[in-house]
Amino acid sequence: DQQVKQNSPSLSVQEGRISILNCDYTNSMFDYFLWYKKYPAEGPTFLISISSIKDKNEDGRFTVFLNKSAKHLSLHIVPSQPGDSAVYFCAARSTGGGADGLTFGKGTHLIIQP
Amino acid sequence: ETGVTQTPRHLVMGMTNKKSLKCEQHLGHNAMYWYKQSAKKPLELMFVYSLEERVENNSVPSRFSPECPNSSHLFLHLHTLQPEDSALYLCASSQERTDYGYTFGSGTRLTVV
Repeated sequence: DQQVKQNSPSLSVQEGRISILNCDYTNSMFDYFLWYKKYPAEGPTFLISISSIKDKNEDGRFTVFLNKSAKHLSLHIVPSQPGDSAVYFCAARSTGGGADGLTFGKGTHLIIQP
Repeated sequence: ETGVTQTPRHLVMGMTNKKSLKCEQHLGHNAMYWYKQSAKKPLELMFVYSLEERVENNSVPSRFSPECPNSSHLFLHLHTLQPEDSALYLCASSQERTDYGYTFGSGTRLTVV
């Protein structure tokens, strides 16, 4: 059973507009969340993260929001640029003695239209 | 250059072959990981090594055999694979096992015929 879910396989956004990528999780032990970006033929690269003690973290054009009660997080990219076209993975982990390693979602393919 | 190098980038092998995937990190990290990415599935954690000791094996079939001779190198030995093992195999490293941020390699695209 998937513990991290990205229900939108793809998302198309016009250049300059806001891109919003969503992620839901089921494991209450998760206390740290990350977003990774992946271009074709490359490995995922770390983008931004958030601890469960916060509800927002901002880094330039990228902002991650966390709603713990809803077990939901989202990544906002504004303004969207053509170079943002990639697959975005949501990931989570727990520090409460659970299995090591990050748990990933299936990814959302973001396409920025010129 | 991500600091984590995987070779080969592409590999085609028959079901009776034996091959190995190699991962090398130049970041001074103490933990290394193998992940598998199949089509339309999440990245799946396969193995975790910390200070050259295996600390996690997520019920991976024995036809996959990891080896970590030192903290900079990680191998995945493959034998008698099945076509459904075709996937992108990603290596990652982190400073410590408890670190949150991983650095990934570019992966090896494996096709089993």
